[in-house]
Amino acid sequence: DVKVTQSSRYLVKRTGEKVFLECVQDMDHENMFWYRQDPGLGLRLIYFSYDVKMKEKGDIPEGYSVSREKKERFSLILESASTNQTSMYLCASSLLKTSGGPYEQYFGPGTRLTVT
Amino acid sequence: QQQVKQSPQSLIVQKGGISIINCAYENTAFDYFPWYQQFPGKGPALLIAIRPDVSEKKEGRFTISFNKSAKQFSLHIMDSQPGDSATYFCAPHQGGKLIFGQGTELSVKP
Repeated sequence: DVKVTQSSRYLVKRTGEKVFLECVQDMDHENMFWYRQDPGLGLRLIYFSYDVKMKEKGDIPEGYSVSREKKERFSLILESASTNQTSMYLCASSLLKTSGGPYEQYFGPGTRLTVT
Repeated sequence: QQQVKQSPQSLIVQKGGISIINCAYENTAFDYFPWYQQFPGKGPALLIAIRPDVSEKKEGRFTISFNKSAKQFSLHIMDSQPGDSATYFCAPHQGGKLIFGQGTELSVKP
């Protein structure tokens, strides 16, 4: 069974703290993604990676960085957490396909981060 | 820049009724058109998807209708059930990435 796991379901951090969110997939997928989900805004892409040590900015990368040292693991880092980063964070993975679909992304359960 | 517009934001349907959710897009380079379903406390999961060379796809009670010229596609849920209560996202694909709509919260009343 396909599995994407995230290190925490709930996290509470203080403003200015460095925050690490970890994601692991067991499907040998090349692509991995980090999204944030906010009511009325859908899912917005923060960063994605299509290979180890490779990363590309998504739509809202400001205030975030990522690390992918191993194929199965993709970390999201908040260098100095701020209250406007309070959100649900979702990790996903998919196969690297150049054409034909289905381009299915498999999601973890999410981490609810609160920054106070 | 809003590439994908989804409507309605929320929808209440009686059990046995038809639920319809719409998605309008601007980017003609999208090459695959999925709908994702998300239950509370879970991540989204692929529900059904359509290729742009097909106008309709049906899987059980779920149907996608695709109108390429109007740049719109919709999800129809026939005989809606309380277990269908969830948030639905359209998420057209381009270049390995999905662009998610704003989401529709569906509630099916018994």
